[in-house]
Amino acid sequence: EVQLLESGGGLVQPGESLRLSCAASGFTFSTYAMSWVRQAPGKGLEWVSALSNSGTDTYYADSVKGRFTISRDNSKNTLYLQMNSLRADDTAVYYCAKRSSAWYFDYWGQGTLVTVSS
Amino acid sequence: EIVMTQSPATLSVSPGERATLSCRASQSISSILAWYQQKPGQAPRLLIYGASTRATGIPARFSGSGSGTEFTLTISSLQSEDFAVYYCQQYNNWPLTFGQGTKLEIK
Repeated sequence: EVQLLESGGGLVQPGESLRLSCAASGFTFSTYAMSWVRQAPGKGLEWVSALSNSGTDTYYADSVKGRFTISRDNSKNTLYLQMNSLRADDTAVYYCAKRSSAWYFDYWGQGTLVTVSS
Repeated sequence: EIVMTQSPATLSVSPGERATLSCRASQSISSILAWYQQKPGQAPRLLIYGASTRATGIPARFSGSGSGTEFTLTISSLQSEDFAVYYCQQYNNWPLTFGQGTKLEIK
């Protein structure tokens, strides 16, 4: 059974940093590209970042480019999102999602809440 | 950036009836479109990919159609568990983009 378990969310002040993790199991992690998608409270889904299976190709939404860094450790079956210079509008539930045969997502984690507030 | 526009924002339908949800892309995306269902407090669930292919385990009452810029998700004979928010997503171009969602509520 595929499982994605996010962690690392919490309350931070504007300008601070946070690193999210997503522990994957139930599939060959190193074979699949992965992504982060977020959802602000009461709002819709927003794609944030994506990473190829090898980690060599990265993609970012303009809203996070230069502030967020996606990475992975295939030896630990874990996806990461390093978030720097956080702003109030980064407040959201952050989901990790597994790419299927193309850039749509067949499995999602339960999400981790990031709150940016002073 | 390809903008995805869903309509209506809210759709009220009685159980047992048919629901038709629309998604429009700001430029042609061929059939490179997915649909997701999200219930309160839950992660999204993949329903449809390639505009019309049901994902594993998705009931046959869910069907997708369309290509180019106009897409439709149809749910025939609504069940109680189908009342949720539905999102479309294009994956033809970067950045990946989602529609704003359609809330399907019980009439």
